Amino acid sequence: ELKVEQNPLFLSMQEGKNYTIYCNYSTTSDRLYWYRQDPGKSLESLFVLLSNGAVKQEGRLMASLDTKARLSTLHITAAVHDLSATYFCAAFIEGAQKLVFGQGTRLTINP
Amino acid sequence: NAGVTQTPKFQVLKTGQSMTLQCAQDMNHNSMYWYRQDPGMGLRLIYYSASEGTTDKGEVPNGYNVSRLNKREFSLRLESAAPSQTSVYFCASGRQSNQPQHFGDGTRLSIL
Repeated sequence: ELKVEQNPLFLSMQEGKNYTIYCNYSTTSDRLYWYRQDPGKSLESLFVLLSNGAVKQEGRLMASLDTKARLSTLHITAAVHDLSATYFCAAFIEGAQKLVFGQGTRLTINP
Repeated sequence: NAGVTQTPKFQVLKTGQSMTLQCAQDMNHNSMYWYRQDPGMGLRLIYYSASEGTTDKGEVPNGYNVSRLNKREFSLRLESAAPSQTSVYFCASGRQSNQPQHFGDGTRLSIL
């Protein structure tokens, strides 16, 4: 059964710093999603990574996928307060046609 | 463009009561999903419908039933609510099961 684990679960950082959130998954999956959730709000799709080596960037966020290592990363560059949120990765189970979510990483960016 | 609409947004039930959570999407999506979100556990899939007319169990289906009423609507029913079902419930839809899912605003359900 596919399991998805994020690291770290909580991250407090200062504005202007760089950091990376890691997403490991346990079995084969060639499709990885990143979502953002603000407190009390719904989930917003950030990135879809479809193949090994895929890299997507949007502003200060960059996501990558290494299917051989079963690892996706979400890199934050020069963090700003507006990026404070909970970030989820989710891996797609091809045979079962569904997503499995990680536990989420709660990111707090302090001025 | 409303996207995915869930009703109600908040609900308090007593143990043993029944309730149906409603979800509708206006994006002509084929796939629809119900998740529950609990602190520290991410989102867990309850049931999903890959296409109109089909439903399948997810990770945590016990205590729930679903109905894919038509392409737009996918409801979640709690037949006899239990305190362990206190959670935030999200409905989502996607064009196909391997496409990004669009989420509703959630239903915050408390069972006393």
